[in-house]
Amino acid sequence: DVKVTQSSRYLVKRTGEKVFLECVQDMDHENMFWYRQDPGLGLRLIYFSYDVKMKEKGDIPEGYSVSREKKERFSLILESASTNQTSMYLCASSQRQFRGDTIYFGEGSWLTVV
Amino acid sequence: GDSVTQMEGPVTLSEEAFLTINCTYTATGYPSLFWYVQYPGEGLQLLLKATKADDKGSNKGFEATYRKETTSFHLEKGSVQVSDSAVYFCAEKRPNTDKLIFGTGTRLQVFP
Repeated sequence: DVKVTQSSRYLVKRTGEKVFLECVQDMDHENMFWYRQDPGLGLRLIYFSYDVKMKEKGDIPEGYSVSREKKERFSLILESASTNQTSMYLCASSQRQFRGDTIYFGEGSWLTVV
Repeated sequence: GDSVTQMEGPVTLSEEAFLTINCTYTATGYPSLFWYVQYPGEGLQLLLKATKADDKGSNKGFEATYRKETTSFHLEKGSVQVSDSAVYFCAEKRPNTDKLIFGTGTRLQVFP
């Protein structure tokens, strides 16, 4: 089974802190994604990576950055956390450009910024 | 840009009732279509998918048919169970892209 593992399920951080959310996948997938999930808004794409060291902005990249130094690992970075970044963050991975291919999700990281 | 529209929830049903959750998409051409399910406290799991017009995806008693003429991919189940209580997301993926576009999700609550 494909496994996408997010390192932290629940985090509480202070405003202004730098926050790292880590994600690892074990299926040698080229693509990795970070989504944010908020009630009434569904899932919104923050960043997407299609290869090591390659990244592409999603719909809501402001306030976030990412790092992909190894194929299996994709990190989301909040440079200076703010209360409006309190949310559920979902990491996902998939093979590249295969029609209908499944995107696999991790269990999510609940981040609260106080 | 492309978008996916789902019916708003919550949808509240009694056990063994018939379920329909509507989903329409706007992408031109022939996107791939997906239904994902999120159980409480968990991430998203693929429920079913369809990659071309008139395809029917099915899994765990759920079905959805890719209707090109109405740009729809409605989710149905003939007899829901309490364990089906979850949030259901419709999504599309255009050809030659790797990104999914999600609807806002529909919460289903099934009572005994």
